[in-house]
Amino acid sequence: NAGVTQTPKFRVLKTGQSMTLLCAQDMNHEYMYWYRQDPGMGLRLIHYSVGEGTTAKGEVPDGYNVSRLKKQNFLLGLESAAPSQTSVYFCASSYGGSGREGEQFFGPGTRLTVL
Amino acid sequence: GDSVTQMEGPVTLSEEAFLTINCTYTATGYPSLFWYVQYPGEGLQLLLKATKADDKGSNKGFEATYRKETTSFHLEKGSVQVSDSAVYFCALSGMDSSYKLIFGSGTRLLVRP
Repeated sequence: NAGVTQTPKFRVLKTGQSMTLLCAQDMNHEYMYWYRQDPGMGLRLIHYSVGEGTTAKGEVPDGYNVSRLKKQNFLLGLESAAPSQTSVYFCASSYGGSGREGEQFFGPGTRLTVL
Repeated sequence: GDSVTQMEGPVTLSEEAFLTINCTYTATGYPSLFWYVQYPGEGLQLLLKATKADDKGSNKGFEATYRKETTSFHLEKGSVQVSDSAVYFCALSGMDSSYKLIFGSGTRLLVRP
């Protein structure tokens, strides 16, 4: 099992450019999440999904869009990148409930720099 | 809203020293509590968890006890190793059906030989 994979691993954008980050999981998890990690601020939730075809806003959703067309994939889009979106982005997935609440499996991260 | 506060780092220890990383939380109801660890260049991994008051989570020599009366979940290890050098995150999962995590800011641990 590959677990949670993210592509790309690194990316440099210019202000105003767009891009899509791909997250894939092979554990048949219902729930998927996108976080950003900034120095001294821990991880902050951008968007999440509780199942195929669903998405919801997290703590810091502005400037991002997401889609979950297939259960195993969760895409994060930046339509017009800004320097404030320079960060490390992590995708995670989980079973949801059933006694394993909060047990999330994380990908290796994507380091994004916006110039 | 719900929040997690953990001690500022970095924490620098010598090998075999005792480790404590403090974590306190604010939440409504009865959240589940977690410690996640992030090794250099990697994503986060679940280290241990506790789902109700007085539960003790443990893994790889690390322990933490869910203390509702002090709203705390401090991480401890009796004898740290160089391989424990990492960033440690305290987190809670609230009562809503999203099961999303709220993280503390992280504490970097550096263990010297």
